[in-house]
Amino acid sequence: ETGVTQTPRHLVMGMTNKKSLKCEQHLGHNAMYWYKQSAKKPLELMFVYSLEERVENNSVPSRFSPECPNSSHLFLHLHTLQPEDSALYLCASSRGLAGSYNEQFFGPGTRLTVL
Amino acid sequence: KNQVEQSPQSLIILEGKNCTLQCNYTVSPFSNLRWYKQDTGRGPVSLTIMTFSENTKSNGRYTATLDADTKQSSLHITASQLSDSASYICVVRGGSQGNLIFGKGTKLSVKP
Repeated sequence: ETGVTQTPRHLVMGMTNKKSLKCEQHLGHNAMYWYKQSAKKPLELMFVYSLEERVENNSVPSRFSPECPNSSHLFLHLHTLQPEDSALYLCASSRGLAGSYNEQFFGPGTRLTVL
Repeated sequence: KNQVEQSPQSLIILEGKNCTLQCNYTVSPFSNLRWYKQDTGRGPVSLTIMTFSENTKSNGRYTATLDADTKQSSLHITASQLSDSASYICVVRGGSQGNLIFGKGTKLSVKP
């Protein structure tokens, strides 16, 4: 295991539901990330947090709302999603911001299906 | 535009055979290149990282090469095993802001 856990592993939700994805890292890292992985597309970086402050938001729709209460936990709150939001959502952490050689350690992902 | 292209998109080989996966990039300036292995239902795990000055790096049966002049990298898998079945993702760090640029990955299937 990589030291990064994600729950739930699978989630099916309707377009009017509100749900949250949770990520926890046990590595003592200071930076955490949310990625979206769709079939046959490269990983898309969504949000970056460093020391609990959001440092990057890659033009993600407001129906995705991140929260980082401390350096070990990261949430992604979901509401009024669209079917095209169905994807694998990956959380990652690194010792610092992923500059130079800081390796990102990924969680197993949450497979999200929006009906 | 900074891009990472991987080939082939998918590959099927027999157990015990060797294979080579390709990664071409147009990222500039270049910082480093990393190969990840992603098993089905899991997150990516780093196999190797290569910097500008490194030509070859091995990790067990995995050998990565880098030609910074032609902006090409390859991942060679020797004596493949069923557990090598996975997607292999090439990631380049670089560009004016030092961002990570991900390839789409190569899906490898090793058959008995």
